[in-house]
Amino acid sequence: ELKVEQNPLFLSMQEGKNYTIYCNYSTTSDRLYWYRQDPGKSLESLFVLLSNGAVKQEGRLMASLDTKARLSTLHITAAVHDLSATYFCAVDNSGGSNYKLTFGKGTLLTVNP
Amino acid sequence: DTGVSQDPRHKITKRGQNVTFRCDPISEHNRLYWYRQTLGQGPEFLTYFQNEAQLEKSRLLSDRFSAERPKGSFSTLEIQRTEQGDSAMYLCASTTGALDKLFFGSGTQLSVL
Repeated sequence: ELKVEQNPLFLSMQEGKNYTIYCNYSTTSDRLYWYRQDPGKSLESLFVLLSNGAVKQEGRLMASLDTKARLSTLHITAAVHDLSATYFCAVDNSGGSNYKLTFGKGTLLTVNP
Repeated sequence: DTGVSQDPRHKITKRGQNVTFRCDPISEHNRLYWYRQTLGQGPEFLTYFQNEAQLEKSRLLSDRFSAERPKGSFSTLEIQRTEQGDSAMYLCASTTGALDKLFFGSGTQLSVL
């Protein structure tokens, strides 16, 4: 059974600081997703990582994937308050693009002034 | 294209009652998914459709749950004889085979008293 573990589960950081969220998964997968969820809102797709060594960046967020280590990271650079949200990683182990995703528990990020 | 629409946004019911939720996917998205999210957890896959065909159901989906997508457009998720453990956010998502992400709706929050 596929397990997806994120850490930390809670992250409180100051504006301007850098930090990394880690996502480990237990079985081979070729697709890893990062989503953002604001309180009471739906999930917003941030990144999809499709191959070993993939790196994607959008604004202050950068995601990477190491399929050999079964590890993805979401790096936050110079955090701002607007980044406060819950971040989920999700793995698709359906063998294709069936979007039968297994999510981690999420990382609740709070960026303080 | 107004995104994935779910109705109702909130549903409060008494244990033992039946409830039905509706999801309208993004127009022309042939794949439709149902996920369930409980507090402090990531979403869990329940089932998905390609057009009107239900292709996979999670073992989490008990016999009390049934989903339909009769004409390959909107979908309904019915829960019969609700239990308190059914209380959760029910999320719908859609995509096509050519896209690299799922588009989630805002969800239906179910509370079973």
